[in-house]
Amino acid sequence: ETGVTQTPRHLVMGMTNKKSLKCEQHLGHNAMYWYKQSAKKPLELMFVYSLEERVENNSVPSRFSPECPNSSHLFLHLHTLQPEDSALYLCASSPRDRGRDTQYFGPGTRLTVL
Amino acid sequence: SQQGEEDPQALSIQEGENATMNCSYKTSINNLQWYRQNSGRGLVHLILIRSNEREKHSGRLRVTLDTSKKSSSLLITASRAADTASYFCVQTSGAGSYQLTFGKGTKLSVIP
Repeated sequence: ETGVTQTPRHLVMGMTNKKSLKCEQHLGHNAMYWYKQSAKKPLELMFVYSLEERVENNSVPSRFSPECPNSSHLFLHLHTLQPEDSALYLCASSPRDRGRDTQYFGPGTRLTVL
Repeated sequence: SQQGEEDPQALSIQEGENATMNCSYKTSINNLQWYRQNSGRGLVHLILIRSNEREKHSGRLRVTLDTSKKSSSLLITASRAADTASYFCVQTSGAGSYQLTFGKGTKLSVIP
């Protein structure tokens, strides 16, 4: 138990659906992250939020839309995804300043796009 | 790419044996970390070693760092079946950045 929870744990959606992934951290951190983990590829950073402001966006397609309403919650809104977007999506959190190098990960959402 | 590379890609050992995994990286680092991922407990931080450190211990884990060779190793002593997981060497991208750069990992199987 890392103190970071994600829901749902599994999601199957069609290409025309709209869905959202949710992440919540109970560690008092103020930076949160979305990562994508595809088969046979290294973990890829998608977005970083620090104090609820997006500070990094690593060229992610606009069909992925993050939202950080407060420092404990992070969402990833999904719409018109492609089959190649099927992957494990991991949320993480860390302190914003000192100690940010160590990130605490949630269990992930296994997404399948049909 | 700043991505590190773990070696070997896969390792299979008997319970009780030691497991050694290596990592090479390309750019200068502030620190280097090792993470573990298994289906039961997700992705978990194991240990961090700073660029001015050469060796660090945590329980059954020992990490070494050779900045002149841009390499690190993770040794797990007296392995257990529960150590079965993928192990990742992770670089920090530098001051002011939030980005961690993960390698592809070493898949360790510990056979009971």
